[in-house]
Amino acid sequence: DAEITQSPRHKITETGRQVTLACHQTWNHNNMFWYRQDLGHGLRLIHYSYGVHDTNKGEVSDGYSVSRSNTEDLPLTLESAASSQTSVYFCASSEDGTGELFFGEGSRLTVL
Amino acid sequence: ELKVEQNPLFLSMQEGKNYTIYCNYSTTSDRLYWYRQDPGKSLESLFVLLSNGAVKQEGRLMASLDTKARLSTLHITAAVHDLSATYFCAAPWREYGNKLVFGAGTILRVKS
Repeated sequence: DAEITQSPRHKITETGRQVTLACHQTWNHNNMFWYRQDLGHGLRLIHYSYGVHDTNKGEVSDGYSVSRSNTEDLPLTLESAASSQTSVYFCASSEDGTGELFFGEGSRLTVL
Repeated sequence: ELKVEQNPLFLSMQEGKNYTIYCNYSTTSDRLYWYRQDPGKSLESLFVLLSNGAVKQEGRLMASLDTKARLSTLHITAAVHDLSATYFCAAPWREYGNKLVFGAGTILRVKS
């Protein structure tokens, strides 16, 4: 069955470290997204991609970057982790058309 | 800017009762999405409403969309404990490439 997987599922890191969260989907979807979920803020869009080599900033993109070298993967990089980036991160993908998002299991990141 | 507001944000109800969760959005949109999230889990797609007047039902849940009123409802019939979860609605932001903007979520607790 097609799916979307994230790794690591849990990570603890220190302020200033670079962190990369992986997202891999086998749906063959063109569209991929990264959200963060925080209490009181719901889900907020960080970055998104509509295809290979396409990346776009979302509403909370500062301190994050993504790259899309193939259809299946959209890794999210925190260049220099900050405590404010402690959150649960969800990757999602969608096919063109309905816009329905399919979410990964989430990655819980703690920045100390 | 598209704003998506849900109410109530927290709902505690007895098994067997009926209730409705409301989702209002601030700009024109012809579709609306509902998701369910169990504690510590990912988001699962419940309903995709693609046109004005759309109504979809799955078990004890029924969702509807009124694009003129910019309102979607999620109606719960004869609630059971297994429906306890957080429910999110999301609307596409047309001026922002139809990216989904999520409501804050409604935490539903069904008491036995």
